[in-house]
Amino acid sequence: AQSVAQPEDQVNVAEGNPLTVKCTYSVSGNPYLFWYVQYPNRGLQFLLKYITGDNLVKGSYGFEAEFNKSQTSFHLKKPSALVSDSALYFCAVRDNNYGQNFVFGPGTRLSVLP
Amino acid sequence: DAGVIQSPRHEVTEMGQEVTLRCKPISGHDYLFWYRQTMMRGLELLIYFNNNVPIDDSGMPEDRFSAKMPNASFSTLKIQPSEPRDSAVYFCASSPGLAGANEQFFGPGTRLTVL
Repeated sequence: AQSVAQPEDQVNVAEGNPLTVKCTYSVSGNPYLFWYVQYPNRGLQFLLKYITGDNLVKGSYGFEAEFNKSQTSFHLKKPSALVSDSALYFCAVRDNNYGQNFVFGPGTRLSVLP
Repeated sequence: DAGVIQSPRHEVTEMGQEVTLRCKPISGHDYLFWYRQTMMRGLELLIYFNNNVPIDDSGMPEDRFSAKMPNASFSTLKIQPSEPRDSAVYFCASSPGLAGANEQFFGPGTRLTVL
Protein backbone atom coordinates (compact mmCIF):
# COMPACT_ATOMS: atom_id res chain seq x y z
CA ALA A 1 0.00 0.00 0.00
CA GLN A 2 1.08 3.54 -0.60
CA SER A 3 1.59 6.03 2.21
CA VAL A 4 2.87 9.53 2.79
CA ALA A 5 4.40 11.08 5.88
CA GLN A 6 4.90 14.73 6.66
CA PRO A 7 6.93 14.64 9.86
CA GLU A 8 6.32 18.26 10.86
CA ASP A 9 2.88 19.54 11.82
CA GLN A 10 4.15 23.11 11.81
CA VAL A 11 7.06 24.93 10.21
CA ASN A 12 7.94 28.50 11.15
CA VAL A 13 10.33 30.57 9.09
CA ALA A 14 11.21 34.24 8.90
CA GLU A 15 10.35 36.17 5.76
CA GLY A 16 13.23 36.14 3.31
CA ASN A 17 14.72 32.95 4.69
CA PRO A 18 14.70 29.66 2.80
CA LEU A 19 11.96 27.20 3.68
CA THR A 20 11.70 23.43 3.54
CA VAL A 21 8.59 21.32 4.07
CA LYS A 22 9.41 17.64 4.36
CA CYS A 23 7.69 14.65 2.79
CA THR A 24 8.56 10.98 2.69
CA TYR A 25 6.61 8.28 0.92
CA SER A 26 6.20 4.56 0.51
CA VAL A 27 4.98 2.81 -2.64
CA SER A 28 5.40 -0.62 -4.16
CA GLY A 29 5.91 0.64 -7.70
CA ASN A 30 7.22 3.91 -9.08
CA PRO A 31 5.83 7.03 -7.45
CA TYR A 32 4.05 9.99 -8.87
CA LEU A 33 4.53 12.77 -6.31
CA PHE A 34 2.60 15.99 -5.87
CA TRP A 35 2.52 19.07 -3.68
CA TYR A 36 -0.63 21.05 -3.02
CA VAL A 37 -1.26 24.19 -0.99
CA GLN A 38 -4.44 25.12 0.86
CA TYR A 39 -5.21 28.66 1.92
CA PRO A 40 -7.88 29.29 4.58
CA ASN A 41 -11.40 28.44 3.45
CA ARG A 42 -10.17 27.37 0.03
CA GLY A 43 -9.71 24.14 -1.86
CA LEU A 44 -6.33 22.61 -2.53
CA GLN A 45 -4.24 24.15 -5.27
CA PHE A 46 -1.67 22.23 -7.27
CA LEU A 47 1.92 23.44 -6.88
CA LEU A 48 4.13 20.91 -8.66
CA LYS A 49 4.64 17.27 -9.45
CA TYR A 50 7.31 14.69 -10.13
CA ILE A 51 6.53 12.01 -12.68
CA THR A 52 9.85 11.13 -14.23
CA GLY A 53 13.05 12.77 -15.41
CA ASP A 54 14.94 15.50 -13.61
CA ASN A 55 14.87 15.05 -9.87
CA LEU A 56 14.50 18.79 -9.27
CA VAL A 57 11.03 19.98 -10.13
CA LYS A 58 10.04 23.63 -10.35
CA GLY A 59 6.50 24.74 -9.74
CA SER A 60 4.24 27.67 -9.06
CA TYR A 61 5.06 30.73 -6.93
CA GLY A 62 8.80 30.00 -6.87
CA PHE A 63 8.48 26.61 -5.17
CA GLU A 64 10.58 23.61 -6.11
CA ALA A 65 10.93 20.06 -4.85
CA GLU A 66 13.62 17.45 -5.08
CA PHE A 67 12.85 13.80 -5.64
CA ASN A 68 15.28 11.52 -3.79
CA LYS A 69 14.63 7.89 -4.57
CA SER A 70 17.16 6.45 -2.12
CA GLN A 71 15.67 8.41 0.75
CA THR A 72 12.10 8.11 -0.57
CA SER A 73 11.66 11.81 -0.05
CA PHE A 74 10.14 14.72 -1.93
CA HIS A 75 10.83 17.84 0.11
CA LEU A 76 9.29 21.15 -0.90
CA LYS A 77 11.60 24.16 -0.92
CA LYS A 78 11.67 27.85 -1.64
CA PRO A 79 14.80 30.03 -1.54
CA SER A 80 13.12 33.07 0.00
CA ALA A 81 9.86 32.80 1.92
CA LEU A 82 7.05 35.36 1.72
CA VAL A 83 4.42 36.07 4.37
CA SER A 84 1.84 35.19 1.72
CA ASP A 85 3.28 31.65 1.58
CA SER A 86 1.70 30.96 4.97
CA ALA A 87 -0.75 28.12 4.38
CA LEU A 88 -1.30 24.38 4.78
CA TYR A 89 0.84 22.22 2.50
CA PHE A 90 0.00 18.68 1.45
CA CYS A 91 2.25 16.09 -0.12
CA ALA A 92 0.52 13.35 -2.13
CA VAL A 93 1.67 10.16 -3.79
CA ARG A 94 0.18 7.91 -6.36
CA ASP A 95 1.64 4.51 -7.12
CA ASN A 96 1.79 4.17 -10.89
CA ASN A 97 0.62 0.58 -10.48
CA TYR A 98 -2.33 1.47 -8.33
CA GLY A 99 -4.86 3.33 -10.40
CA GLN A 100 -6.02 6.81 -9.72
CA ASN A 101 -5.97 6.94 -5.93
CA PHE A 102 -3.98 9.74 -4.43
CA VAL A 103 -2.82 9.31 -0.87
CA PHE A 104 -2.41 12.64 0.87
CA GLY A 105 -0.16 13.33 3.79
CA PRO A 106 -1.57 14.92 6.96
CA GLY A 107 -0.43 18.37 5.96
CA THR A 108 2.16 20.81 7.32
CA ARG A 109 1.18 24.27 8.40
CA LEU A 110 3.73 26.84 7.24
CA SER A 111 3.91 30.16 9.03
CA VAL A 112 6.15 32.83 7.55
CA LEU A 113 6.84 35.53 10.09
CA PRO A 114 7.41 39.13 9.00
CA ASP B 1 -12.82 27.77 -17.40
CA ALA B 2 -14.55 28.41 -14.09
CA GLY B 3 -12.86 25.51 -12.37
CA VAL B 4 -14.62 22.91 -10.27
CA ILE B 5 -17.89 24.27 -8.91
CA GLN B 6 -19.44 23.07 -5.68
CA SER B 7 -22.72 23.98 -4.04
CA PRO B 8 -23.71 24.89 -1.49
CA ARG B 9 -20.60 26.45 0.03
CA HIS B 10 -22.04 26.12 3.52
CA GLU B 11 -24.73 23.81 4.84
CA VAL B 12 -26.12 23.66 8.34
CA THR B 13 -28.63 20.96 9.08
CA GLU B 14 -30.05 18.99 11.94
CA MET B 15 -29.24 15.41 12.76
CA GLY B 16 -31.41 13.01 10.79
CA GLN B 17 -31.93 15.28 7.83
CA GLU B 18 -30.89 14.44 4.29
CA VAL B 19 -28.00 16.44 2.86
CA THR B 20 -27.08 16.68 -0.82
CA LEU B 21 -23.82 18.17 -1.99
CA ARG B 22 -23.32 19.06 -5.64
CA CYS B 23 -20.33 19.25 -7.93
CA LYS B 24 -19.69 20.35 -11.49
CA PRO B 25 -16.26 19.18 -12.72
CA ILE B 26 -14.08 20.93 -15.22
CA SER B 27 -15.32 20.27 -18.74
CA GLY B 28 -13.41 17.47 -20.44
CA HIS B 29 -12.11 15.88 -17.26
CA ASP B 30 -12.71 12.15 -17.13
CA TYR B 31 -12.22 11.62 -13.41
CA LEU B 32 -14.19 13.00 -10.48
CA PHE B 33 -13.27 12.57 -6.83
CA TRP B 34 -15.08 13.26 -3.56
CA TYR B 35 -12.98 13.96 -0.45
CA ARG B 36 -13.76 14.76 3.16
CA GLN B 37 -11.49 16.89 5.32
CA THR B 38 -11.56 17.00 9.12
CA MET B 39 -9.05 18.07 11.71
CA MET B 40 -8.89 14.59 13.19
CA ARG B 41 -8.62 12.52 10.02
CA GLY B 42 -7.16 14.93 7.50
CA LEU B 43 -8.10 14.54 3.83
CA GLU B 44 -9.89 11.28 3.00
CA LEU B 45 -10.89 10.01 -0.42
CA LEU B 46 -14.50 8.87 -0.33
CA ILE B 47 -15.16 7.76 -3.90
CA TYR B 48 -14.05 8.42 -7.44
CA PHE B 49 -15.64 8.10 -10.87
CA ASN B 50 -14.21 7.53 -14.31
CA ASN B 51 -16.41 8.49 -17.24
CA ASN B 52 -19.39 8.71 -14.86
CA VAL B 53 -18.86 5.19 -13.51
CA PRO B 54 -17.94 4.69 -9.83
CA ILE B 55 -14.55 2.97 -9.70
CA ASP B 56 -13.63 2.85 -6.03
CA ASP B 57 -16.05 3.61 -3.21
CA SER B 58 -14.04 1.91 -0.47
CA GLY B 59 -13.65 5.20 1.33
CA MET B 60 -17.37 5.79 1.77
CA PRO B 61 -17.80 5.56 5.53
CA GLU B 62 -21.12 3.72 5.63
CA ASP B 63 -24.40 3.11 3.87
CA ARG B 64 -25.68 6.51 4.86
CA PHE B 65 -23.40 7.95 2.19
CA SER B 66 -24.11 7.62 -1.51
CA ALA B 67 -22.72 9.29 -4.62
CA LYS B 68 -23.95 9.52 -8.17
CA MET B 69 -22.73 10.94 -11.44
CA PRO B 70 -25.63 10.95 -13.88
CA ASN B 71 -23.61 12.73 -16.56
CA ALA B 72 -20.18 14.13 -17.26
CA SER B 73 -20.96 17.55 -15.84
CA PHE B 74 -22.67 16.77 -12.55
CA SER B 75 -22.20 14.68 -9.44
CA THR B 76 -23.91 14.49 -6.07
CA LEU B 77 -22.89 13.23 -2.66
CA LYS B 78 -25.83 12.43 -0.42
CA ILE B 79 -25.91 11.73 3.29
CA GLN B 80 -29.13 10.25 4.66
CA PRO B 81 -29.64 10.45 7.57
CA SER B 82 -26.96 12.92 8.59
CA GLU B 83 -25.18 12.74 11.95
CA PRO B 84 -23.06 15.27 13.86
CA ARG B 85 -19.92 13.25 13.13
CA ASP B 86 -20.46 13.95 9.42
CA SER B 87 -19.56 17.58 10.03
CA ALA B 88 -16.58 18.31 7.79
CA VAL B 89 -15.51 20.09 4.64
CA TYR B 90 -16.33 18.07 1.55
CA PHE B 91 -14.26 18.63 -1.57
CA CYS B 92 -14.91 17.63 -5.12
CA ALA B 93 -11.97 17.36 -7.52
CA SER B 94 -11.61 16.47 -11.17
CA SER B 95 -8.74 15.31 -13.30
CA PRO B 96 -8.07 14.79 -16.99
CA GLY B 97 -7.97 11.20 -18.10
CA LEU B 98 -5.25 8.66 -18.69
CA ALA B 99 -2.43 7.60 -16.41
CA GLY B 100 -1.84 8.67 -12.87
CA ALA B 101 0.41 11.54 -13.78
CA ASN B 102 -2.28 14.17 -13.91
CA GLU B 103 -2.95 16.45 -11.00
CA GLN B 104 -6.39 16.94 -9.53
CA PHE B 105 -8.22 20.25 -9.57
CA PHE B 106 -10.17 20.94 -6.41
CA GLY B 107 -13.36 22.87 -5.88
CA PRO B 108 -13.74 25.37 -3.02
CA GLY B 109 -15.47 22.82 -0.79
CA THR B 110 -18.75 22.58 1.07
CA ARG B 111 -18.57 23.14 4.81
CA LEU B 112 -21.20 20.88 6.39
CA THR B 113 -22.35 21.31 9.96
CA VAL B 114 -24.75 18.78 11.40
CA LEU B 115 -26.28 19.88 14.68
